[in-house]
Amino acid sequence: NAGVTQTPKFQVLKTGQSMTLQCAQDMNHEYMSWYRQDPGMGLRLIHYSVGAGITDQGEVPNGYNVSRSTTEDFPLRLLSAAPSQTSVYFCASSYVLGGSTDTQYFGPGTRLTVL
Amino acid sequence: GQQLNQSPQSMFIQEGEDVSMNCTSSSIFNTWLWYKQDPGEGPVLLIALYKAGELTSNGRLTAQFGITRKDSFLNISASIPSDVGIYFCAGQSGGTSYGKLTFGQGTILTVHP
Repeated sequence: NAGVTQTPKFQVLKTGQSMTLQCAQDMNHEYMSWYRQDPGMGLRLIHYSVGAGITDQGEVPNGYNVSRSTTEDFPLRLLSAAPSQTSVYFCASSYVLGGSTDTQYFGPGTRLTVL
Repeated sequence: GQQLNQSPQSMFIQEGEDVSMNCTSSSIFNTWLWYKQDPGEGPVLLIALYKAGELTSNGRLTAQFGITRKDSFLNISASIPSDVGIYFCAGQSGGTSYGKLTFGQGTILTVHP
């Protein structure tokens, strides 16, 4: 198993550009999520999904869109990049057990700079 | 929203020393998790705690789920250079909030040989 993979590893954008961060997992996990990591602030949840066709907002969803057309993939779209979105983005996945989620596994991250 | 306060923010220790870090919350969590992040990598789960009062070990690491369900601590015994990294606590609520992890700010650990 490759686990959770993310592409690209690094990306530089200009303000106003759009792009999609890719995330894929091969563990048949129902739950997938996106976090951003900023210095001194830990990781903050952007969006999450509990299964194909189901998504919901996390703590900091503004400026980001997600969709979940398959169990394996959970792309994160930046519609119009802003310097405030400069961050490291992590995707995570896990099984759903009853009313809770199991251990979340994180991808290696995408380092995004918006100029 | 829920907030986690993790302390200390950073630690500089000598190899062989023991380390202790903790997290406190304004809200109750059903699960406490401790992650380690190496430079350029994603967080990796070290210990998961599911029950108030639970004390769990993983090698040289020991973590406890506080009785009030609002705090947790992580101890590392006999530190070694490869313990260097950022340690995060994370809390997970149940019910409709399942899966949403709230992270602490992280503790940066430096171990001098």
